[in-house]
Amino acid sequence: QAQLLHSGAEVKKPGSSLKVSCSASGDTFDTLTITWVRQAPGQGLEWMGGILPVYETKHSAQKFRGRVTITADKSTSTAYMELKSLTSEDTGFYYCARGSHQHVWGSAIVYWGQGTLVIVSS
Amino acid sequence: QLVLTQSPSASASLGASVKLTCTLSSGHSTYAIAWHQQQPEKGPRYLMKVNNDGSHVKGDGIPDRFSGSSSGTVRYLTITSLQFEDEADYYCQTWGPGPWVFGGGTKLTVL
Repeated sequence: QAQLLHSGAEVKKPGSSLKVSCSASGDTFDTLTITWVRQAPGQGLEWMGGILPVYETKHSAQKFRGRVTITADKSTSTAYMELKSLTSEDTGFYYCARGSHQHVWGSAIVYWGQGTLVIVSS
Repeated sequence: QLVLTQSPSASASLGASVKLTCTLSSGHSTYAIAWHQQQPEKGPRYLMKVNNDGSHVKGDGIPDRFSGSSSGTVRYLTITSLQFEDEADYYCQTWGPGPWVFGGGTKLTVL
C-alpha cells in the first residue's frame, strides 16, 4: 500500500515562503497524480493544485495561481509544494494525496498523507 | 464551472441509517465523485468512489455499512447501523480536465 510521508511542522513569518515535501513509497510515483490540499482551522478541505510527474502535467486552483509552485523529483519520489507571500490566512494543515489511475490527470484521491501543520505568525 | 454542493450538517441516532448527499453542478451529471471521511482531530480517509451509474469502489477496510449510489447529478453516501465512530466530517471530491474540487463537507452527528 502506498504511503505518503510529510515533512515536519513549520512556523513562518508573514511575507515569507513555505516549502513542504511529501515522500511517496511504491514504484508508481511517476504515473499517479499527486495533489495538495489545505485545511484552515475549523474549515473544510481546499484543493490547491497537483502534478502528474510522468507528463509534468500541472494544474492549480485559481485562488493560488501565481503564489503556489508544485514540483516532483522523480529520482527521490518526492513532491514539493511551495507557497509564497504567506499571511496568517495560510495557517493550517497541508496534505498531499495521490490519485488512483495511472497516466491520468484526474481521479479519486485514494491515499492521504498525514499532513503538515503550518503556522504563520509574527 | 464544476462545483460540488453538500448540506453542512446531518444527524441520526445510534444504530440508525443516514444518507448524505453531494450534488454536482449542472452539466456534470456524468462525473464520478469520491467520498472521504475525516474524524475529529484526524486526517482525511478515502471511503469510496461513486460512479454516475451508481456503482462504487470502496477503499481497503471500509465496512459494509458504507455504500454509495447515484441519481442524476446527486451522489449519495449511505451509512447503516450508525456507530459513534461514524461521527465525522464527510467530503465529496471530483475532478475535471483541470482543477479538482471538494464539496464544503457535511458534519455528521450521531445522537
